[in-house]
Amino acid sequence: KAGVTQTPRYLIKTRGQQVTLSCSPISGHRSVSWYQQTPGQGLQFLFEYFSETQRNKGNFPGRFSGRQFSNSRSEMNVSTLELGDSALYLCASSVDQNQPQHFGDGTRLSIL
Amino acid sequence: GQQVMQIPQYQHVQEGEDFTTYCNSSTTLSNIQWYKQRPGGHPVFLIQLVKSGEVKKQKRLTFQFGEAKKNSSLHITATQTTDVGTYFCAPFNYGQNFVFGPGTRLSVLP
Repeated sequence: KAGVTQTPRYLIKTRGQQVTLSCSPISGHRSVSWYQQTPGQGLQFLFEYFSETQRNKGNFPGRFSGRQFSNSRSEMNVSTLELGDSALYLCASSVDQNQPQHFGDGTRLSIL
Repeated sequence: GQQVMQIPQYQHVQEGEDFTTYCNSSTTLSNIQWYKQRPGGHPVFLIQLVKSGEVKKQKRLTFQFGEAKKNSSLHITATQTTDVGTYFCAPFNYGQNFVFGPGTRLSVLP
């Protein structure tokens, strides 16, 4: 069974640009969550989608948005990038919110 | 909102020594999960605890859920270099955002 796939693996952007990250969950998993991981802040929850609906949202500004498609694939968008957005962005899928989460390898975003 | 603490933040042990990390929540939990992240890797699910006072073992790892369902611990017996990584607890409550603890980074000296 294929794992969670995130693309791209690495991304370099400049301040003010926008970026879209993609996540393909494990087949059959309808819940997709996104996390930001930085050395200083640990794993911070961004949002969770289930059957194309955002169920939960973390404490991030509106520049961070996401969506989920009918095939459960999810995208995350960050607009007007800031230096502080440099981080590893992890996507995790699960059967449902309270079940074990399976993480992808992440997208490492660097802002210059 | 829910506050999650993990102690210690860092732990350095000699190979063969035991290791314990503790996770404390400010609220009563529906369940708690534990994850391990190796350096350069992504978090990997280890276990889920649901019942009050539950104890589960995986080889050298012992997981415990407190009687009040507000705290949990992970104990590793006779650590090995393969145990190196950061251990996160992830307390869960229905209707609330999924929260990961700050993690305990374990170093094992050969």
